Amino acid sequence: NAGVTQTPKFRILKIGQSMTLQCAQDMNHNYMYWYRQDPGMGLKLIYYSVGAGITDKGEVPNGYNVSRSTTEYFPLRLELAAPSQTSVYFCASSSGLAGMLETQYFGPGTRLLVL
Amino acid sequence: GESVGLHLPTLSVQEGDNSIINCAYSNSASDYFIWYKQESGKGPQFIIDIRSNMDKRQGQRVTVLLNKTVKHLSLQIAATQPGDSAVYFCAENSGGYQKVTFGTGTKLQVIP
Repeated sequence: NAGVTQTPKFRILKIGQSMTLQCAQDMNHNYMYWYRQDPGMGLKLIYYSVGAGITDKGEVPNGYNVSRSTTEYFPLRLELAAPSQTSVYFCASSSGLAGMLETQYFGPGTRLLVL
Repeated sequence: GESVGLHLPTLSVQEGDNSIINCAYSNSASDYFIWYKQESGKGPQFIIDIRSNMDKRQGQRVTVLLNKTVKHLSLQIAATQPGDSAVYFCAENSGGYQKVTFGTGTKLQVIP
């Protein structure tokens, strides 16, 4: 299994541009998450999904959108990029079989720079 | 708001020695705790977890201790190796998939 994969690895955006961060998992996990990690800070939850067709906001959802049309994919959309969105973005998944008492598996991250 | 934090941002340890990384949490409702390792340029990797009904859990070269009385979590790494050099995060789950709170991390530097 490849686990959780993310593309691209690195991207530079101009202010106002849009882009989609891709995330895929091949573990048949029900739950998927998007986090951002700012320097010296802990991971902050942007959005999460407990299954195909179901998404919900996390702690810092403003400026982002997500969709979950299939179990495998959970793309994160930035519509109008702002410098404050410069960060490293991590996608994660968990099986959902143990409810909230379970481990999340993380992708390698996407580094985004907004200038 | 309630948060998870780490006492030491950087820890330098001689190769072969034991390492202890500490974490304080403030949410008494948290019932599941996880330690992650994050190497430079990579995503967090699960190390070990512990549930609130336990005080100690051991893995391969790692041990997690949970003291609910003082709301303290620690990760012990035995015989620290250069490959252990990374940032270590503690995380707590206080209820719900969106309720995982991550600490800021401790950087472990192993001196050869």
